[in-house]
Amino acid sequence: AQKVTQAQTEISVVEKEDVTLDCVYETRDTTYYLFWYKQPPSGELVFLIRRNSFDEQNEISGRYSWNFQKSTSSFNFTITASQVVDSAVYFCALSEADSWGKLQFGAGTQVVVTP
Amino acid sequence: DVKVTQSSRYLVKRTGEKVFLECVQDMDHENMFWYRQDPGLGLRLIYFSYDVKMKEKGDIPEGYSVSREKKERFSLILESASTNQTSMYLCASSPLVRASGSLIDREQFFGPGTRLTVL
Repeated sequence: AQKVTQAQTEISVVEKEDVTLDCVYETRDTTYYLFWYKQPPSGELVFLIRRNSFDEQNEISGRYSWNFQKSTSSFNFTITASQVVDSAVYFCALSEADSWGKLQFGAGTQVVVTP
Repeated sequence: DVKVTQSSRYLVKRTGEKVFLECVQDMDHENMFWYRQDPGLGLRLIYFSYDVKMKEKGDIPEGYSVSREKKERFSLILESASTNQTSMYLCASSPLVRASGSLIDREQFFGPGTRLTVL
């Protein structure tokens, strides 16, 4: 069963618009970790953020922000004032406790930012 | 900076050939992983290793094997390549971190990927 769902296959925005990427996860563990990665056209996945299940604080890093809500099993990602360089595929991933760090990825969301 | 390198960016092989994909990391990480990436499916774990000579099956190990003879190197082997193994293959590594007896999952660092085409 899919444990991480990214329902949006592709989102197209014009530069300076905000874009929110949804991520819904499923786990029975009380201890788990959530991640977001960016895959630009070059292909190499770039780590963006890691959050553990006991830390529900939202986080902001520059134009990026993350909203973690355990009540809805969601870990959404917002890019504010998008730029062309934000064009990439974004993956949400889950690792469960004592799984040796194995990641279960969502299908990814392609973000296309046009000038 | 963590560096994960993969032996080839692009590879073309014929059905039935034995294929080796090599991955090397330079940060002394204990964990290493092989994923394949296909459109609409995200990344799926093939095999992982948490120590030299140790390996564990991931979600889709069929048709693949791995080797980890040295800590820094993790090889993925396609014993007899088939067309349905045409894909992007990504290697990753991460440190093994423990706190209070439990594993703490840290981010994985990825290589640039190998796009394999099997004809």
